[in-house]
Amino acid sequence: DAKTTQPNSMESNEEEPVHLPCNHSTISGTDYIHWYRQLPSQGPEYVIHGLTSNVNNRMASLAIAEDRKSSTLILHRATLRDAAVYYCIRGGEIGTSYGKLTFGQGTILTVHP
Amino acid sequence: AAGVIQSPRHLIKEKRETATLKCYPIPRHDTVYWYQQGPGQDPQFLISFYEKMQSDKGSIPDRFSAQQFSDYHSELNMSSLELGDSALYFCASSTPGIRGYTFGSGTRLTVV
Repeated sequence: DAKTTQPNSMESNEEEPVHLPCNHSTISGTDYIHWYRQLPSQGPEYVIHGLTSNVNNRMASLAIAEDRKSSTLILHRATLRDAAVYYCIRGGEIGTSYGKLTFGQGTILTVHP
Repeated sequence: AAGVIQSPRHLIKEKRETATLKCYPIPRHDTVYWYQQGPGQDPQFLISFYEKMQSDKGSIPDRFSAQQFSDYHSELNMSSLELGDSALYFCASSTPGIRGYTFGSGTRLTVV
């Protein structure tokens, strides 16, 4: 049971920002929120993760609601290379022996030129 | 930078045969995870190892076994292969404190 809910698909135009939502209403206090993306026939790729505070890195930003029941992955300027399946995953602390990732249904992001 | 290496990239086996998939984690990563992704499906967790000991187990069939060796590489052994075992098998590695898991490019197993 992945216990996260994401829209099946989203579309964006190139150069525009993209906001990918995720609901995780039953998240526990110790669960991290991880985002991965997967291009066709490739392994999933780490995007970003966070616990309570908003996070930024060179790929994206992660906005976490104050009650932690939802989060939003923000791609500031979508490119064609960002077209992928995006997975929002709740899980344990990275690298712990209980840190497996449970993938659910992700969001298929289509980016139009 | 070194990535997670999986071999072979492609494998074709007949039903009831055996297969061995190998995973070489990023140097100094002590945790390995195996995932199976069927056609059109999301990755499903199979099994993981931390410091050469099994740390967690998912929906891995009894026909499958895995281990992590002293050099931290891992092997997934699959016996009595069935058509339904045809899938992409991914390995990921990590170590406490680092950002994210790094996945390999996968092994595509086709059972005919």
